[in-house]
Amino acid sequence: DAKTTQPPSMDCAEGRAANLPCNHSTISGNEYVYWYRQIHSQGPQYIIHGLKNNETNEMASLIITEDRKSSTLILPHATLRDTAVYYCIVSAHSGGSNYKLTFGKGTLLTVNP
Amino acid sequence: GAVVSQHPSRVICKSGTSVKIECRSLDFQATTMFWYRQFPKQSLMLMATSNEGSKATYEQGVEKDKFLINHASLTLSTLTVTSAHPEDSSFYICSARPDSEYGYTFGSGTRLTVV
Repeated sequence: DAKTTQPPSMDCAEGRAANLPCNHSTISGNEYVYWYRQIHSQGPQYIIHGLKNNETNEMASLIITEDRKSSTLILPHATLRDTAVYYCIVSAHSGGSNYKLTFGKGTLLTVNP
Repeated sequence: GAVVSQHPSRVICKSGTSVKIECRSLDFQATTMFWYRQFPKQSLMLMATSNEGSKATYEQGVEKDKFLINHASLTLSTLTVTSAHPEDSSFYICSARPDSEYGYTFGSGTRLTVV
């Protein structure tokens, strides 16, 4: 699986948008970009994923560059409960088969009041 | 959404004893479950892939005789840490995914302390 690079930490003011970048310059054509987050002492939580197009769900938006070498996760209105480690993971996923997740160090997002 | 239940949430055991951790998919069937380990201030590390009705697949460096995995039904996988030692103290987490979803659901984790 392609490797990802994320800043170790970021800060964001409550109510503002949080933009978390991720570089995945060696991504292959069949690899998806996944984002998960882990709140302290809990299991990770799936946020969103994408292949080429930008995606949006109730939690976040995912912007993938045209060359697919980087992406940005956007939390439109960050709250204190969004403080967590955010993981950007690239993995191939074909049909209904299971895929492995290789977690890097992620970005610790701290939302400040 | 999908729910994965993990039990116990915390366990303290004596060195040399064995501990069993359960991972259940509550509202879906999971032919595959994954087991991770996370040491303090570190990221999750995949330990093994649990396959219903067949042997688990272990990642390189993970001792299969020490970390026994059983996936006897479509909703239950167990991880047994045998002859536990203090260095096995860690946060153990399982995950599974309904076929209808792309994202994995994780259990809430088990914090194992070996004394």
